[in-house]
Amino acid sequence: GNSVTQMEGPVTLSEEAFLTINCTYTATGYPSLFWYVQYPGEGLQLLLKATKADDKGSNKGFEATYRKETTSFHLEKGSVQVSDSAVYFCALSEGNAGNMLTFGGGTRLMVKP
Amino acid sequence: GAVVSQHPSWVICKSGTSVKIECRSLDFQATTMFWYRQFPKQSLMLMATSNEGSKATYEQGVEKDKFLINHASLTLSTLTVTSAHPEDSSFYICSASGVRGRQETQYFGPGTRLLVL
Repeated sequence: GNSVTQMEGPVTLSEEAFLTINCTYTATGYPSLFWYVQYPGEGLQLLLKATKADDKGSNKGFEATYRKETTSFHLEKGSVQVSDSAVYFCALSEGNAGNMLTFGGGTRLMVKP
Repeated sequence: GAVVSQHPSWVICKSGTSVKIECRSLDFQATTMFWYRQFPKQSLMLMATSNEGSKATYEQGVEKDKFLINHASLTLSTLTVTSAHPEDSSFYICSASGVRGRQETQYFGPGTRLLVL
């Protein structure tokens, strides 16, 4: 079956630090990959996605590249802000964006001023 | 603004009562809705998948008689927690999937926090 593994948190960084949150996956086919963000007290929001190998998803300064050879989709941001403090979830779905999602365990990011 | 709404956002109930949670897609037709459960500091676990007009498909270990799902229209799905007990206390999240703006997409609701006393 499909699975997603992401680094455990919490990840604590100072403002303007570089962020990497690792995510690897196992899938039987050719999944689409997603990063979702959950801000405190709010629902999940799609942050970025990539639908095929070597695609790079980007949004709000965050980037992730779909690496088929390493089955990875690591999330990066060059300079984090306090407002980026949230829980980040890596997820995959077989086929298109409307299909069932398999989530990783989530990584809590705390950015200190 | 919100694309998917959930109601209520918060509910506290006594053990043994039933609680209904609504999930609505506000500006597109959701052919499929998913119900997830999230425990504190944990990831989302898929409970069931519902397609409009047909019976829901439940994940292994989810009691279909306890968690009743109805997807009566393309904009509304309901999850009813029957005879709720304290162990059912959790954060329930729905997502709606369909074509919005010519693109197949999926949006999450804000979640419903259930506390069973």
